[in-house]
Amino acid sequence: EAQVTQNPRYLITVTGKKLTVTCSQNMNHEYMSWYRQDPGLGLRQIYYSMNVEVTDKGDVPEGYKVSRKEKRNFPLILESPSPNQTSLYFCASSFFSRGREQYFGPGTRLTVT
Amino acid sequence: AQKVTQAQTEISVVEKEDVTLDCVYETRDTTYYLFWYKQPPSGELVFLIRRNSFDEQNEISGRYSWNFQKSTSSFNFTITASQVVDSAVYFCALSGSGTYKYIFGTGTRLKVLA
Repeated sequence: EAQVTQNPRYLITVTGKKLTVTCSQNMNHEYMSWYRQDPGLGLRQIYYSMNVEVTDKGDVPEGYKVSRKEKRNFPLILESPSPNQTSLYFCASSFFSRGREQYFGPGTRLTVT
Repeated sequence: AQKVTQAQTEISVVEKEDVTLDCVYETRDTTYYLFWYKQPPSGELVFLIRRNSFDEQNEISGRYSWNFQKSTSSFNFTITASQVVDSAVYFCALSGSGTYKYIFGTGTRLKVLA
């Protein structure tokens, strides 16, 4: 089954404790991206990757890191989480050169206390 | 700069009513892509439709239809004979040819009452 998976689905952590949210897709998409969803703000793009080893900032990259060492994986790293990073996070992937519709993972609800 | 405006924060309708969700966009790119996504109460994001800027044909899929008008920079979504299962948050999104980014609107919450 074609899908985007994210882990964990729920995470409660404390300020400053490094964490990684994993994302994997099995559709051979070259483009992957991370978003955060906050009430009243819709989805905002954090980082995206056009291909392996090619990443760039979205509109809200502060406090986040990403890496793309393999085509199928695109982890989101919060090196020192803060309460303002409490949010719902989505990973997505697409064939950017062929229509650009994105397919999303199930979401990760992160709470930073 | 790209921008997507969904001015309707929340809409409530009674089952079987028709409802239109508005989406207005801004971009300087001459080629761009527009999308609609549905987020039901379960939380996942479901792709509904993509429209390219060079294709202004309206599209119908069952009870869903989309009206793309470049002259007014709008890409509106109509649900005919709404059902309770249509209750969700709907997002409009834009990606211009001159960028690798996507811009989403703030979403419209649709409540369909039985």
